[in-house]
Amino acid sequence: GEDVEQSLFLSVREGDSSVINCTYTDSSSTYLYWYKQEPGAGLQLLTYIFSNMDMKQDQRLTVLLNKKDKHLSLRIADTQTGDSAIYFCAESISPGGGADGLTFGKGTHLIIQP
Amino acid sequence: EPEVTQTPSHQVTQMGQEVILRCVPISNHLYFYWYRQILGQKVEFLVSFYNNEISEKSEIFDDQFSVERPDGSNFTLKIRSTKLEDSAMYFCASSEGRVQETQYFGPGTRLLVL
Repeated sequence: GEDVEQSLFLSVREGDSSVINCTYTDSSSTYLYWYKQEPGAGLQLLTYIFSNMDMKQDQRLTVLLNKKDKHLSLRIADTQTGDSAIYFCAESISPGGGADGLTFGKGTHLIIQP
Repeated sequence: EPEVTQTPSHQVTQMGQEVILRCVPISNHLYFYWYRQILGQKVEFLVSFYNNEISEKSEIFDDQFSVERPDGSNFTLKIRSTKLEDSAMYFCASSEGRVQETQYFGPGTRLLVL
């Protein structure tokens, strides 16, 4: 079955880069996602990557996908206090669509030190 | 910016009682989802809904659960006879079409069963 694993905490200094890692088990994953959850709020889609891509960059965010190792990472450049949140990795195995649910990791708490 | 809304934000109920959690998806979206997150655990897919019927459901979504789109705007999750282990945060999500990257989440309803 599908499983997504993340480390639970990451602490970085303000201004440094944060790298949040995720591993998944299902090699048939088609889309991989990063969601952000701030306290008391819902899950906000940050970015996603399709499984035939290795990298995607969107402003301060860089997603790297290593399909061989089934490893996904999210790099946040110049981390700010507003980046403090829980970051969830998620995968979808739906081949090009459909209403399948996403499989989430437990989330990584990103803690920003001044 | 359009968003998914959920009511109530918090609900406390006695074991064995029925609860209905409400969601208003984004208006032009066609696919609707419920997820839950037990405290300290992963976000888990419950069910997806399209064209007035269940599209997919997980093994969590047993006969105690039902979903309905009673009118053109609301999407509800009913738990018929709540158990202690139903205590969780319940997230509603919606997507415009069959492409997975467009799932937008609501802020969640925190359900506490006593």
